[in-house]
Amino acid sequence: AQKITQTQPGMFVQEKEAVTLDCTYDTSDQSYGLFWYKQPSSGEMIFLIYQGSYDEQNATEGRYSLNFQKARKSANLVISASQLGDSAMYFCASQSPGNKLTFGGGTRVLVKP
Amino acid sequence: DSGVTQTPKHLITATGQRVTLRCSPRSGDLSVYWYQQSLDQGLQFLIQYYNGEERAKGNILERFSAQQFPDLHSELNLSSLELGDSALYFCASSNRDDYEQYFGPGTRLTVT
Repeated sequence: AQKITQTQPGMFVQEKEAVTLDCTYDTSDQSYGLFWYKQPSSGEMIFLIYQGSYDEQNATEGRYSLNFQKARKSANLVISASQLGDSAMYFCASQSPGNKLTFGGGTRVLVKP
Repeated sequence: DSGVTQTPKHLITATGQRVTLRCSPRSGDLSVYWYQQSLDQGLQFLIQYYNGEERAKGNILERFSAQQFPDLHSELNLSSLELGDSALYFCASSNRDDYEQYFGPGTRLTVT
């Protein structure tokens, strides 16, 4: 079974600053995927970034980067140059070989102008 | 827009009733997943279908069932509804086993 832990229930960040959202995972699988999703107040789940367990380079997608530390089993999301539209819930998830996603409890980010 | 559609967007029904939620995956995606998001349980995987066949099951109650049709759309049937079934139900699709899942906008179910 896989488990995802997000220890920050909520955080504030100043507009234009960077923010790091923590995620640790627990899995016995050799091959797995790690994802981050954004859920704005409107409710939809928006895919942000993906990291495969065998990828040696940290994934980046625009202002999002994933700080993957395999030995520590962590997959932190870094959002650079925060914008007001980044205010949302952020979920870290792992994908087991069975392909289902296991989600963490989420972190609510509020960007202050 | 993820390309995954779900209907209806909102559903309000009474305890004991039965409802059907519908999902159309992105064009070309063979896998469909159903997830439930509730305040107390968070986001939980319910069930996965791949090209019409059930592939994986998660925390899905016996009162719930799903299927995927030949045109790849999927339906989630919820019966004997209870207050605790009130939640946001997401459908997601993917075209590869190890690739990102794209989520639909969700169906918000309220059981009164």
